[in-house]
Amino acid sequence: SQKIEQNSEALNIQEGKTATLTCNYTNYSPAYLQWYRQDPGRGPVFLLLIRENEKEKRKERLKVTFDTTLKQSLFHITASQPADSATYLCALLTSGTYKYIFGTGTRLKVLA
Amino acid sequence: DAGVIQSPRHEVTEMGQEVTLRCKPISGHNSLFWYRQTMMRGLELLIYFNNNVPIDDSGMPEDRFSAKMPNASFSTLKIQPSEPRDSAVYFCASSLAGGANVLTFGAGSRLTVL
Repeated sequence: SQKIEQNSEALNIQEGKTATLTCNYTNYSPAYLQWYRQDPGRGPVFLLLIRENEKEKRKERLKVTFDTTLKQSLFHITASQPADSATYLCALLTSGTYKYIFGTGTRLKVLA
Repeated sequence: DAGVIQSPRHEVTEMGQEVTLRCKPISGHNSLFWYRQTMMRGLELLIYFNNNVPIDDSGMPEDRFSAKMPNASFSTLKIQPSEPRDSAVYFCASSLAGGANVLTFGAGSRLTVL
């Protein structure tokens, strides 16, 4: 069956360190993979997109990698700040559809 | 643009009552999605529309759920009759279809069915 797995346990890290979040998937052939941020009481907000033929994408302190052989994406936040504390969701889009399927998200807490 | 607008933000109702959730997508976006979020199941896609036409409703849990998009600027998600297990946050999202299809979400409607 199709699955998108993110670490359900919260990730606590110290301010200034690099946070690394994982998104693993099975039985999907995603054309695109996106990462979203969700704060309590709000809808998810788009952060970064990576295509199946791309290995890495960066935006300011954010970096996403995409390994279609391992069926895994890693999301990095460098020089993390308490304001980065939120839930981060990965989402896959299979080519030929408009359907984005989301993982369950990982809650990140950056400690001052 | 004010973004995706959902109403109501909060709804508390009793089992058996009809619930209607509303969504106004971003002007110019031609795809609209309804998602449901719970702690147990995360963010689940219920249905999506492209150019006001329902494309895939395979995520709609049962016949008690229905969705319409009468025009490009308005959609509704209706639950009739509602049950306690329908309690969740319902999100509407819109996008410009084609390519990467980045989603813009509304703030959500929190539904509690007693």
